[in-house]
Order: sequence, then C-alpha cells, then structure tokens
Amino acid sequence: SQQGEEDPQALSIQEGENATMNCSYKTSINNLQWYRQNSGRGLVHLILIRSNEREKHSGRLRVTLDTSKKSSSLLITASRAADTASYFCATGEVGSGYSTLTFGKGTMLLVSP
Amino acid sequence: GAVVSQHPSWVICKSGTSVKIECRSLDFQATTMFWYRQFPKQSLMLMATSNEGSKATYEQGVEKDKFLINHASLTLSTLTVTSAHPEDSSFYICSALSPTGRGDGYTFGSGTRLTVV
Repeated sequence: SQQGEEDPQALSIQEGENATMNCSYKTSINNLQWYRQNSGRGLVHLILIRSNEREKHSGRLRVTLDTSKKSSSLLITASRAADTASYFCATGEVGSGYSTLTFGKGTMLLVSP
Repeated sequence: GAVVSQHPSWVICKSGTSVKIECRSLDFQATTMFWYRQFPKQSLMLMATSNEGSKATYEQGVEKDKFLINHASLTLSTLTVTSAHPEDSSFYICSALSPTGRGDGYTFGSGTRLTVV
C-alpha cells in the first residue's frame, strides 16, 4: 500500500497564485522528498527534508514537515504555467538501510496562463 | 550532477516477445538501482531493487521470472520483460542511488513507455 497520500489529487490555479500540496504518511521516516513529473516523463527531485528538520526552502519552493502529525506540505509560490506537472511525495523509512522510496499518489497541478 | 540514462524511451512489441530496458548511470557508479512501474495517472510502484553483482530483491507480488533484472556492472542495470502481454503495458522508470548512500542521492531515468499489442 502507498505510504504517502497527497491531497488534493488535482489542483488548478492561475499563474501568479500559490499552490499548496499536502502529503501524509504512516510510518517513521528518515526523510521525505518531493518530486515533479511532467506528463510521460521521469521524475525530477525537487527537495528533501530530513526527519529532524521542520522547514526547508529552495527558490520558489517551501517544504514543511510535521513528524508528530506525519505530514508534509509543498508550497510553490508565484506559480508559472511551466509548473504544470504531477507532484509526488516520497518517504525514506527508518530501518530500511539505504531507504527505498515509497511514493504517494501524487497531485496533478495545472497552472493556467 | 548525476545523470541516469534510460533506453528506450518507448517501445511497442507483440505479445509473447521479450523487451529489454536499460538504465545507465552516466557520471557516477551506482551500486544500487531501483525499478518502478507506473500506470496512467497513478503513483510509482517499486518493483525491485537491483544490487551490482548480486540478485535483485523483488517486491511482493512481482514475478521475478517475468521481470528479469541484471546489474552486471556499476553503471548498468537492465530490466527484461519476458513473454510480454498487454497487461504488462505500462511506464517503467529506473532510479539509481549514488554511492554516498545518504538517502538523497536518487536520480531517475526518463522512463520507458511499453506498449504490448
């Protein structure tokens, strides 16, 4: 079964608006990662946040992690049409050695010009 | 940065034939590679973990005789779909773990769209 559950499943916004996606997970983790996938393409690593971190920034991306609630959020500020893609969270679990990733179901983001 | 090349990007084959997908780490040595399967508008499901020089570890429910994985060198892992059937049609993606093993050294290939007719 999927570890991560993203919501919303789909999000449609206008350029310039902010997009927030959430991810919940079930087990203890070493880290949580966010990936982007354009239609029919591979995954691009966006950002990783470790279990002892609460917030991380990278350009227009802001990720938060609340281990007590087993949840994370990805905020994309000032969205652009080029941000249109599917976004997945993936968790690396505690005790799994090199941490195989377990992916959530993803959020499809559509940014309209 | 680390680059993983996956080939072919798409393939169409007839039922009953076998298809080989290659995953290469171009600028680093990958002791561990992962193979995922993704159905349309769904998430990635881990199929197997491939370790250089040893047998792959398959996830529950994945037929090892159907999805043959070979990781004969530190830069190449292959997935062979044997006796392919239409239900094997899917998007297959590989990823490689860089030797740092810090958990954030994952690089993904661009995927292979397999269509079995």
